[in-house]
Amino acid sequence: DTGVSQDPRHKITKRGQNVTFRCDPISEHNRLYWYRQTLGQGPEFLTYFQNEAQLEKSRLLSDRFSAERPKGSFSTLEIQRTEQGDSAMYLCASSPNPAGTGGGNGYTFGSGTRLTVV
Amino acid sequence: AQSVAQPEDQVNVAEGNPLTVKCTYSVSGNPYLFWYVQYPNRGLQFLLKYITGDNLVKGSYGFEAEFNKSQTSFHLKKPSALVSDSALYFCAVRDNIPGGFKTIFGAGTRLFVKA
Repeated sequence: DTGVSQDPRHKITKRGQNVTFRCDPISEHNRLYWYRQTLGQGPEFLTYFQNEAQLEKSRLLSDRFSAERPKGSFSTLEIQRTEQGDSAMYLCASSPNPAGTGGGNGYTFGSGTRLTVV
Repeated sequence: AQSVAQPEDQVNVAEGNPLTVKCTYSVSGNPYLFWYVQYPNRGLQFLLKYITGDNLVKGSYGFEAEFNKSQTSFHLKKPSALVSDSALYFCAVRDNIPGGFKTIFGAGTRLFVKA
């Protein structure tokens, strides 16, 4: 396993278009997270999955954002009707279930998908 | 609600000198604390964590961090800085409570090590 993979690496889209990003976590990790990072800022939490269940969605996410993890493996993040303010780096991370490892695992991050809305 | 503060936007240090990157936090329960590093054009990498036990924890690349409960701080340290340590460093916190899963990141501190 080579870590967390994200696709595409870069996406340029016109305002109003829909975009979808994919994340493939480390295979044995059952927790998956999406974060958004803008220039000069720390990652902001967007949403979290444990297996296929989406357990929390940040208030940062408007109704235009949706995420899925249908089989508890890869995840997709879709943004509908993109706006210029959506331009950011979208980061995916995964971690194992802490119950089996004593708690408090660090995340393994992917390289991110950089979205530019023009 | 959880929060984390990194009071310095940038830290400058000469190669070979000790470095400290500051972090303070706020959580409702006992914290899990983390440091991550981001090199240019690369993803975030986990450096170290504090869960319980010794207040001084050691991590990757010779970094260590000291947990201070009374001051709610978790400063990152290294005895002797390298030019290659120049990067963006993020402190992060997670509540150690049932259902606590969301990690909150600070705004980051840019470390610049001069040769």
